[in-house]
Amino acid sequence: SQQGEEDPQALSIQEGENATMNCSYKTSINNLQWYRQNSGRGLVHLILIRSNEREKHSGRLRVTLDTSKKSSSLLITASRAADTASYFCATDDTDKLIFGTGTRLQVFP
Amino acid sequence: SAVISQKPSRDICQRGTSLTIQCQVDSQVTMMFWYRQQPGQSLTLIATANQGSEATYESGFVIDKFPISRPNLTFSTLTVSNLSPEDSSIYLCSGRDPLYGYTFGSGTRLTVV
Repeated sequence: SQQGEEDPQALSIQEGENATMNCSYKTSINNLQWYRQNSGRGLVHLILIRSNEREKHSGRLRVTLDTSKKSSSLLITASRAADTASYFCATDDTDKLIFGTGTRLQVFP
Repeated sequence: SAVISQKPSRDICQRGTSLTIQCQVDSQVTMMFWYRQQPGQSLTLIATANQGSEATYESGFVIDKFPISRPNLTFSTLTVSNLSPEDSSIYLCSGRDPLYGYTFGSGTRLTVV
């Protein structure tokens, strides 16, 4: 199955800074989701944006979706050390969820 | 949303043997899926587990290596057969509920020695 591409692959920032991760995909979608995974542990669902939405907020998270460019971005504002994790986008075409390659975020205190 | 119990959480297996992973969902889900996550990598979909019929495999995955069963709407197993060190990965199951979306098991960390 074709995975989406995420960039950057890795990102290191200081606490308080913003972190932006980008996701590109190849097929038409029903929605796009973002997940967090802490050091090989379980997946945590962060946010879902539907194909007819352009922007969505949840707390310190802001997600955008551009279906014409088949791309999405996740912005984490005012980052904390606890945000250190891997972040994955996943596209849902109603039949299955396909994950992107992921971004490893390191937030230094 | 549904809660998935996945067993075992980890195992160390000998080369050439097989490991069967179980997932039990606490409510009926329309679809179940199996993923592999190789070290340092993202999740790759292995197959969609279909209730009462053969699973639908993604490109690069075959039934002989990854037989899957789903006898009812709340239970599924994945067997990883004829193990080699390259099979060392985390395996995750997922269920999809029309109302609540996707939920994931906590994963099985397999090490093949």
